[in-house]
Amino acid sequence: GPKVLQIPSHQIIDMGQMVTLNCDPVSNHLYFYWYKQILGQQMEFLVNFYNGKVMEKSKLFKDQFSVERPDGSYFTLKIQPTALEDSAVYFCASSRRDWGGVDTQYFGPGTRLLVL
Amino acid sequence: GDSVTQTEGQVALSEEDFLTIHCNYSASGYPTLFWYVQYPGEGPQLLFRASRDKEKGSSRGFEATYDKGTTSFHLRKASVQESDSAVYYCALSDRATGGNNKLTFGQGTVLSVIP
Repeated sequence: GPKVLQIPSHQIIDMGQMVTLNCDPVSNHLYFYWYKQILGQQMEFLVNFYNGKVMEKSKLFKDQFSVERPDGSYFTLKIQPTALEDSAVYFCASSRRDWGGVDTQYFGPGTRLLVL
Repeated sequence: GDSVTQTEGQVALSEEDFLTIHCNYSASGYPTLFWYVQYPGEGPQLLFRASRDKEKGSSRGFEATYDKGTTSFHLRKASVQESDSAVYYCALSDRATGGNNKLTFGQGTVLSVIP
């Protein structure tokens, strides 16, 4: 099936540093998402993105978070500065369209972020 | 807000046993319901989905029926195999949010099948 890639698979950084998580979505997909999963907890929606804009974000999407997809390259999640509570697995997903119906989201394998 | 509850956190079965994982939801609109499966080191992948009351989704011997009356979408399989060992997530997307496709996930159920 369609593949979403995420780079890196693991990242360890010191609190206060900046981190960028990269997502290579399915090639013809137009909608992009980030989800966060803290160890032992359920996966939670962070943000979705379409046509260069954030469509919706949750309360977990703090001011320190930003997303972009410059010129059709990677879809990125940037955290600046990082905090201890940002330690989690971050999953990227993409879908073809959002036409008032619901299309299937395809997920990447996740980036495991550890903030020390 | 929307929510999904999976009753079982962990399920351990022997091969050829019958599987049921319970999923109940709460949503303001008429949601689309999903079952996702996640294998170690991978992201969740769609097992199947259902969009209307009484619709049955199925794949690889797994099935679930959308029940609006009981707000449930229980996952069942008649005879599990060791290769079914994975984490299973029930999820919903609420159409009432204007086509926004954000997914609300349940807590996940770890299925271990012993050969």
